[in-house]
Amino acid sequence: EVQLVQSGAEMKKPGESLKISCKGSGYSFITYWIGWVRQMPGKGLEWMGMIYAGDSDTRYSPSFQGQVTISADKSISTAYLQWSSLKASDTAMYYCVRRTGYWYSDIWGRGTLVTVSS
Amino acid sequence: DIQMTQSPSTLSASVGDRVTITCRASQTISSWLAWYQQKPGKAPNLLIYKASTLESGVPSRFSGSGFGTEFTLTISSLQPDDFATYYCQHYNSYSATFGQGTKVEIK
Repeated sequence: EVQLVQSGAEMKKPGESLKISCKGSGYSFITYWIGWVRQMPGKGLEWMGMIYAGDSDTRYSPSFQGQVTISADKSISTAYLQWSSLKASDTAMYYCVRRTGYWYSDIWGRGTLVTVSS
Repeated sequence: DIQMTQSPSTLSASVGDRVTITCRASQTISSWLAWYQQKPGKAPNLLIYKASTLESGVPSRFSGSGFGTEFTLTISSLQPDDFATYYCQHYNSYSATFGQGTKVEIK
């Protein structure tokens, strides 16, 4: 079964760093792009950026460039999303998605809830 | 950047109704459009890609159409399981953009 398994919910304080993960299984991880999507509480979906697991080519949405870092470790079929200094406004559900060769997202992880509060 | 605008934002309908949701792009996007369904507390689920191609396993009451800047998602006969929020998404080789979503509520 093709799936993306995301790391568990996180509760952090403003200013702290965080790295969440997304592990792919059931398919060739290195031949697909993995994207990240933010959903703030009660709001819609926002595309953050993506990484090609084979060579770590990374592309960010302008709104998220410089705010987060996307990376991957192909040896363990895992993509990451990280923050160096969290803000309360980073509180959201974060989904990882697999992009097909035709660019649409066919597989979604269950999401990682990140809560940032003092 | 290309902007995607859905209408309506909320739609009230009854079981058995035919429902249509519209998605407009700020510039032409050919057929590079997908539709997703999201239920409360769940990850979105792919319904349609390339504007009109039904994803495997998705009921045939869902259909998509359009090209260029205007697209529609139609549910031919609304079922209880279809009450959810629907998002369109433009995608290309370097990015993606979602519409703001349409919530389909029980009338």
